[in-house]
Amino acid sequence: TQLLEQSPQFLSIQEGENLTVYCNSSSVFSSLQWYRQEPGEGPVLLVTVVTGGEVKKLKRLTFQFGDARKDSSLHITAAQPGDTGLYLCAGAGAAGNKLTFGGGTRVLVKP
Amino acid sequence: NAGVTQTPKFQVLKTGQSMTLQCAQDMNHEYMSWYRQDPGMGLRLIHYSVGAGITDQGEVPNGYNVSRSTTEDFPLRLLSAAPSQTSVYFCASSFAYMNTEAFFGQGTRLTVV
Repeated sequence: TQLLEQSPQFLSIQEGENLTVYCNSSSVFSSLQWYRQEPGEGPVLLVTVVTGGEVKKLKRLTFQFGDARKDSSLHITAAQPGDTGLYLCAGAGAAGNKLTFGGGTRVLVKP
Repeated sequence: NAGVTQTPKFQVLKTGQSMTLQCAQDMNHEYMSWYRQDPGMGLRLIHYSVGAGITDQGEVPNGYNVSRSTTEDFPLRLLSAAPSQTSVYFCASSFAYMNTEAFFGQGTRLTVV
């Protein structure tokens, strides 16, 4: 059982639709990060959230950290084909000096 | 600025062979880590280091060794390769383990036959 559970595992939508990816845990994290990974590349950081209830926006992407710092969500408005990729959440502070990743959500945005 | 450099990019091993995956970073980061990525499993932490001379185990350390003799380098050794170690391996570095960006290499795709 992974410390961080992401859902859904796979999401296929049409360009212009909205989508939400969830990252849940029973553990409390000091901070939570979201990364995006494209084929053949390593993950690249999108955002770090630190405070419970925090909301951060990055253009059409909105990230939220749960009040209890156990969960997070990523919402994409009006998705574009360039948003296609593997989205990974990663938490720190719940298991010693480790950054723990969720299983990932593969997003496909069709034109 | 090279960032995190992993070599080789691809490798095929026979069962029982040993090899070392190389990782080097030029950002003077204290924290380095190795992950493996399997389909549907995200990234699983193998070993990590909080500074030169200090290493610790992650979630899936069995069959792997690491050492950190310098700040820049963090090699991962497979002692006796097994088919279950077929995976994509990523090295990452960061200033600290939390609240700071982890920079990843491009990965090593390893196949054990």
